Amino acid sequence: ETTVTQSPAFVSATPGDTVSISCKASQDIDDDLNWYQQKPGEVPVFIIQEAHTPVPGIPPRFSGSGFGTDFTLTIFNIEPEDAAYYFCLQHDKFPLTFGQGTKVEIK
Amino acid sequence: QVQLVQSGTEVKKPGASVKIACKAEGYSFTNYAMHWVRQARGQGLEWMGWINVDSGNTRYSQKVQGRVTITRDTSASTVYMAVTSLRYEDTAVYYCARDRNGGLTYGMDVWGQGTTVIVSS
Repeated sequence: ETTVTQSPAFVSATPGDTVSISCKASQDIDDDLNWYQQKPGEVPVFIIQEAHTPVPGIPPRFSGSGFGTDFTLTIFNIEPEDAAYYFCLQHDKFPLTFGQGTKVEIK
Repeated sequence: QVQLVQSGTEVKKPGASVKIACKAEGYSFTNYAMHWVRQARGQGLEWMGWINVDSGNTRYSQKVQGRVTITRDTSASTVYMAVTSLRYEDTAVYYCARDRNGGLTYGMDVWGQGTTVIVSS
């Protein structure tokens, strides 16, 4: 099983800040990693596919990077509406595995 | 509009079974596989299993293998997940989520609204 370690668990940011979230896979998964956003009480929303490709309709301030084992979600010029829980998913091999999640708070 | 509509809240006693439905709307049902994922209160997401909706082939997490069965009814555009021998720790919100592909998995794009399962004596 591929373990995905996500960090940090919590980040507090001010509007306009740049926030970075990391996911590290326990083995090489190429670019088979997606990112999702989940606001409280809502269903997850798919935001980044194949590590670095934004899903259509997602604001360009959301950016993904990485390949192999190390991946990063970066939110540039963060806005109050970006307050949410973010998690990554590796889909390289079954069983699919999620990162533990990062709660992003906007001050 | 693509959407997944799940069945309602279930309250079950320990040892009982539950079957949750996920009806697909707005797309060709057999062209996309489906996953089931659960989230306990305040916890992260746990992948439970996957079904190739066209062939009926399934894959399960080792943790739930033997207690979970995923099936589909193509005439009803609906996927089901049955969980047997329920335990208190199965209390969670259960999501169905469409895969971006029909065969190989590319992860989920569209998620259902979630079904709350409460296991309580």
